[in-house]
Amino acid sequence: SYVLTQPPSVSVAPGNTATITCGGNDIRYKSVHWYRQRPGQAPALVIQNDHERPSGIPERVSGFNSGNTATLTISRVEAGDEADYYCQVWDNRDHQVFGGGTKLTVL
Amino acid sequence: QVPLQQWGAGLLKPSETLSLTCAASGDTFTNYYWTFIRQPPGKGLEWIGEINHSGDANYNPSLRSRLTLSVDTSKKQISLNLTSLTAADTAVYYCARGGGGTTSLPFDSWGQGTLLTVSS
Repeated sequence: SYVLTQPPSVSVAPGNTATITCGGNDIRYKSVHWYRQRPGQAPALVIQNDHERPSGIPERVSGFNSGNTATLTISRVEAGDEADYYCQVWDNRDHQVFGGGTKLTVL
Repeated sequence: QVPLQQWGAGLLKPSETLSLTCAASGDTFTNYYWTFIRQPPGKGLEWIGEINHSGDANYNPSLRSRLTLSVDTSKKQISLNLTSLTAADTAVYYCARGGGGTTSLPFDSWGQGTLLTVSS
């Protein structure tokens, strides 16, 4: 089965840059989507197709996919960015696959 | 994004069947797959399955034997039936727009979530 590996937690001070990784075998050949889930809320799409920002997502949120790792980067981190972040891909055997999630803490 | 409204039973006993329904609004129902995703308390997201307006469905292999997805295009609704419930099925269940095989789309709209608790 296809596995996506994320770090359980990432901590960053306000104003700094947060980087969340999503590892998968040859993930560069897949379209990676990222979701943000604030406490008590449904997930929300923040990056689609590796690097595209849906309407309403600020430019300081970006994505990149290369080799065996996709990356979500949040620049100038704010308190409101504190949330769980999940990566997701489609796999031809396992269909939709989610990473285990990363809790972003703003110090 | 489109609003998604979902409803279904909240507290069920082991061996019972979960029935959930999700209703979409707008004119794009036939253009997308519609997906169910669940999240056990304190844990990550798990894909359950997806279906389109024609009834073409894909299921998580680990749930396939207990799972049925159906669609009512006239009402723009999708439904989930999950049989033989156990405590391991306790989770928040979401419906979402997106998915769909080789042309899979991201999940760009989500329902509010429905908590299922399985307990005797």
